Amino acid sequence: DVKVTQSSRYLVKRTGEKVFLECVQDMDHENMFWYRQDPGLGLRLIYFSYDVKMKEKGDIPEGYSVSREKKERFSLILESASTNQTSMYLCASRIPFSGSYNSPLHFGNGTRLTVT
Amino acid sequence: KQEVTQIPAALSVPEGENLVLNCSFTDSAIYNLQWFRQDPGKGLTSLLLIQSSQREQTSGRLNASLDKSSGRSTLYIAASQPGDSATYLCAVIKPSGDMRFGAGTRLTVKP
Repeated sequence: DVKVTQSSRYLVKRTGEKVFLECVQDMDHENMFWYRQDPGLGLRLIYFSYDVKMKEKGDIPEGYSVSREKKERFSLILESASTNQTSMYLCASRIPFSGSYNSPLHFGNGTRLTVT
Repeated sequence: KQEVTQIPAALSVPEGENLVLNCSFTDSAIYNLQWFRQDPGKGLTSLLLIQSSQREQTSGRLNASLDKSSGRSTLYIAASQPGDSATYLCAVIKPSGDMRFGAGTRLTVKP
C-alpha cells in the first residue's frame, strides 16, 4: 500500500514565524501535491510538483513556497505565517497523469496548523 | 471553470439502509473520477477510481457509476453500517491533469 506521511498531525505557530510542513511518500511517485482544506471552501490546491526540483503554482499559492529536492519529499513553507493560514494541510502523491488512464491520488493524514 | 457539486451536504440514515451519494460536474470533458472517504480530522482515503473508458467500479459494498455526458456520478453504498459514517468526496480529473474536488457529503449511519 502507498504510504504518504506528514511529519506533524498538529502544529501551533505564532504570526510571522517561518513554518515548514513536511511530506514523504514511499512509492516513488513523481507527482506530489499540497492542498489546504477549510470548512465551506473544500480542498484547494496550493502547489504541486511533477518531479524532483519542479514546482507549479496551484490556485492559492500566495504566502507559500515549496521545495522538492528529493523525489520522496515535498515540503510546504509558510514564509511568514498569518492567522488566515490556520487550516488543515493535506499532502498527496500519484504516478504521473497519463491521459485517459490514471492511478489514484493518495493522501497523507493531514497537518492541522493553528497560527495565533 | 470546472465546478463539482455534491448533494446532499449531509445525510443521516439508519443502519442497514442502502443509499446513494451524488456528484455532478459542469464540464463533461473529464478523464476520470475518484471517490474518497474522509474521517474527522484525517486525510482522504481513496475508495474508487473510474477510468475514462469505464462506466462503473465496484469494491465490496460500494459501487460508483460515471455518466460523463450528463455530468454525473453516483456512489452507492449497500447495507450501510455505523462504520461507514464519514465525509465522502468526489474529484474529477481534467484533461490537463488538474483535479477538482466537491465539498463532500457528510454521512451518518445510526445504529
